[in-house]
Amino acid sequence: GENVEQHPSTLSVQEGDSAVIKCTYSDSASNYFPWYKQELGKGPQLIIDIRSNVGEKKDQRIAVTLNKTAKHFSLHITETQPEDSAVYFCAAVPPGGGNKLTFGTGTQLKVEL
Amino acid sequence: NAGVTQTPKFQVLKTGQSMTLQCAQDMNHEYMSWYRQDPGMGLRLIHYSVGAGITDQGEVPNGYNVSRSTTEDFPLRLLSAAPSQTSVYFCASSYSRLAIIAGANVLTFGAGSRLTVL
Repeated sequence: GENVEQHPSTLSVQEGDSAVIKCTYSDSASNYFPWYKQELGKGPQLIIDIRSNVGEKKDQRIAVTLNKTAKHFSLHITETQPEDSAVYFCAAVPPGGGNKLTFGTGTQLKVEL
Repeated sequence: NAGVTQTPKFQVLKTGQSMTLQCAQDMNHEYMSWYRQDPGMGLRLIHYSVGAGITDQGEVPNGYNVSRSTTEDFPLRLLSAAPSQTSVYFCASSYSRLAIIAGANVLTFGAGSRLTVL
């Protein structure tokens, strides 16, 4: 089955700096890669996703890049703000996997004032 | 529109006790699933359902049962709780597999249920 590795497990940045979280996946046929943000005491919420036919996708201050050859994808957050502090999860879905997302182990992002 | 509602939010059990975690969604989603979240291990799929009357096992199904008698509800049953089942449990739902193929497999999560087994 699919295996997703996520790094780093914790990340601390100063407000206004950029943050990058990286994930690698094992199944080269995986074709959907969502990112979820989990705030304290809440369930994960989708913030951005990318499909295998696209190399990069942006939504305001967040962007995701995908390198199919290397089987890795990354989340980029620019101009970080305190409200970006949360746990971020990457995930991958192979063809035919339906909604059976395989998640990474999560990254605790802390944005310091 | 409440989204995905989970009850209870917190529960403490003794080893060997049984209980049911409730999950309900009001978005007419065909797909529903249960994940458990443990430190350093991310979210792991326990069971899922692609529609009423259909359930299947995920990555870590042992010790858990599910049923799907209606589109709206997907309860998770612990038959004989063990300390290893201490975790935070999340229910998630989405549109149908056909919608997924069309590019709409977005999971909506509930707020979670924190279970402690002593």
